[in-house]
Amino acid sequence: KAGVTQTPRYLIKTRGQQVTLSCSPISGHRSVSWYQQTPGQGLQFLFEYFSETQRNKGNFPGRFSGRQFSNSRSEMNVSTLELGDSALYLCASSGGMNTEAFFGQGTRLTVV
Amino acid sequence: DAKTTQPPSMDCAEGRAANLPCNHSTISGNEYVYWYRQIHSQGPQYIIHGLKNNETNEMASLIITEDRKSSTLILPHATLRDTAVYYCIVRVEFSTDKLIFGTGTRLQVFP
Repeated sequence: KAGVTQTPRYLIKTRGQQVTLSCSPISGHRSVSWYQQTPGQGLQFLFEYFSETQRNKGNFPGRFSGRQFSNSRSEMNVSTLELGDSALYLCASSGGMNTEAFFGQGTRLTVV
Repeated sequence: DAKTTQPPSMDCAEGRAANLPCNHSTISGNEYVYWYRQIHSQGPQYIIHGLKNNETNEMASLIITEDRKSSTLILPHATLRDTAVYYCIVRVEFSTDKLIFGTGTRLQVFP
């Protein structure tokens, strides 16, 4: 079956703009999590959604937001982009408690 | 903060077993140990997980000490394609899929 799909794969934006990233989980998975990966901070948890509800949130400013739709697809939005938001954004989906999470290939965002 | 400690880097000869250690001395009774790896610029890949018993799958074996304060991931016959950063993770809560990544171990497999 198809894996986790993230679109777009690459993105270049200008400071001050906003961006929306998309994640389609594995069919049947209802939990979607987002992570940010930078060389300086490593992999950091952004937020987690389950059945359209945010279940957990990491320590990121309010410029970072997300949502999940009834078909479990998820989007994350970053407003007022800063240079420091340049990162690999990863999405993971899971089929339930204490089951493994499967990651997508990520969206590489570059802010110039 | 991550609840695990791993050596920053390790080397292994191709064809030999790679043994990657992880310390998780503050692990709680209902927390699982998960291992993921990340090959350069790709999404992390699940390897294996366990609670207290040793586990084995087609990719690796996981040995958890009896007191559960540490574990070892074993790749029985390392190949060049196993070169990656390996993350040992303790699941923070029972009811969430949140993963707290540490800095991991960079495993270099050489010919």
